Amino acid sequence: DTGVSQNPRHKITKRGQNVTFRCDPISEHNRLYWYRQTLGQGPEFLTYFQNEAQLEKSRLLSDRFSAERPKGSFSTLEIQRTEQGDSAMYLCASSLGGQGDYEQYFGPGTRLTVT
Amino acid sequence: LAKTTQPISMDSYEGQEVNITCSHNNIATNDYITWYQQFPSQGPRFIIQGYKTKVTNEVASLFIPADRKSSTLSLPRVSLSDTAVYYCLVGAGSTLGRLYFGRGTQLTVWP
Repeated sequence: DTGVSQNPRHKITKRGQNVTFRCDPISEHNRLYWYRQTLGQGPEFLTYFQNEAQLEKSRLLSDRFSAERPKGSFSTLEIQRTEQGDSAMYLCASSLGGQGDYEQYFGPGTRLTVT
Repeated sequence: LAKTTQPISMDSYEGQEVNITCSHNNIATNDYITWYQQFPSQGPRFIIQGYKTKVTNEVASLFIPADRKSSTLSLPRVSLSDTAVYYCLVGAGSTLGRLYFGRGTQLTVWP
């Protein structure tokens, strides 16, 4: 399967712990995006990478959140000192880039539950 | 970015055609209209994109009137497996591809 993959699929953690999620995009895609989705809402943009460069971060991405994409391949999203409000589905997407660039391919997501 | 308005929910029966309309009164000249579909516990999936008039692919058709202030996603002969949330997005290449989703339309198809 050459789609976007995310690990783990589910994560339960206690408040105050750190968690890290991984996203493996489609191999030839140079853009990678992170979104967050809570129940009943559409996905909300968090950040995106063009190759290894992080080009934009939403104000939703507090200082406790950090994302990396070393070597322009896979990406990790780390949340430090988790809070109950961080409970959500974290989605990763990738695309070829270019003008318009609305055809993004999403992974299955990582569902985070903070207790 | 142009704000979009679409119905919160719609119901249909198998075999019927479903039309979901999205309003985007403040659409800009260089904005495109894109629709995504999302099943429970899955990421969204791109369905179709258009700029004006009509676009058709193997999954759906997108109708855009001349003033572009609205658009209609048409799903022919829906089945139970078309039950999903459908999102209408409006934006331009200048947004560098980041997508802004609203709450979408929950389509439920009944047998």
